Amino acid sequence: GENVEQHPSTLSVQEGDSAVIKCTYSDSASNYFPWYKQELGKGPQLIIDIRSNVGEKKDQRIAVTLNKTAKHFSLHITETQPEDSAVYFCAGGTGTASKLTFGTGTRLQVTL
Amino acid sequence: ETGVTQTPRHLVMGMTNKKSLKCEQHLGHNAMYWYKQSAKKPLELMFVYNFKEQTENNSVPSRFSPECPNSSHLFLHLHTLQPEDSALYLCASSQLTSGGTEQFFGPGTRLTVL
Repeated sequence: GENVEQHPSTLSVQEGDSAVIKCTYSDSASNYFPWYKQELGKGPQLIIDIRSNVGEKKDQRIAVTLNKTAKHFSLHITETQPEDSAVYFCAGGTGTASKLTFGTGTRLQVTL
Repeated sequence: ETGVTQTPRHLVMGMTNKKSLKCEQHLGHNAMYWYKQSAKKPLELMFVYNFKEQTENNSVPSRFSPECPNSSHLFLHLHTLQPEDSALYLCASSQLTSGGTEQFFGPGTRLTVL
């Protein structure tokens, strides 16, 4: 089955700096890669996703890149703000994506 | 907020108790999921229901029993749990298509087994 590894487990950046979180996956059949943000006391919420026919996707300060050959994908957050502080999860899935395999999460702390 | 509600938000139970977790989605989706979230571990998919039919059971112990009476409601019945079952239990829903779509999560039920 799919195995998704995520690094780093914790990340501290100063406000205004960029943050990068990286994930690797094992199943070459995976073609759907969402990123979720989980704030304290809430469930994970999708912030961006990418499909295997695209190499990069951007939404304002958030971007995701995908390298299918190397089987890795990354989340980039620019101009970080305190409200970006949360736990971020990457995931990989195939087909209808009814079965997502999640990474272990990255706790991002944005300091003033 | 996300259209997926879960009750109760917190639950403390003894190992001999029987309790149920409830999930309701107001999004018109055709698939619902139960996940277990433990500290320092990835979200673990427990069960998937597609059009009320269970399509996935990830080797979950029988002390967890899911029920999906219709496409909007999902239950997780709990009995004779162990302390290691203490975790955040998340429900999610999605509209399954061939291209894959977003899973919307509820806020979770924080379960403590004494």
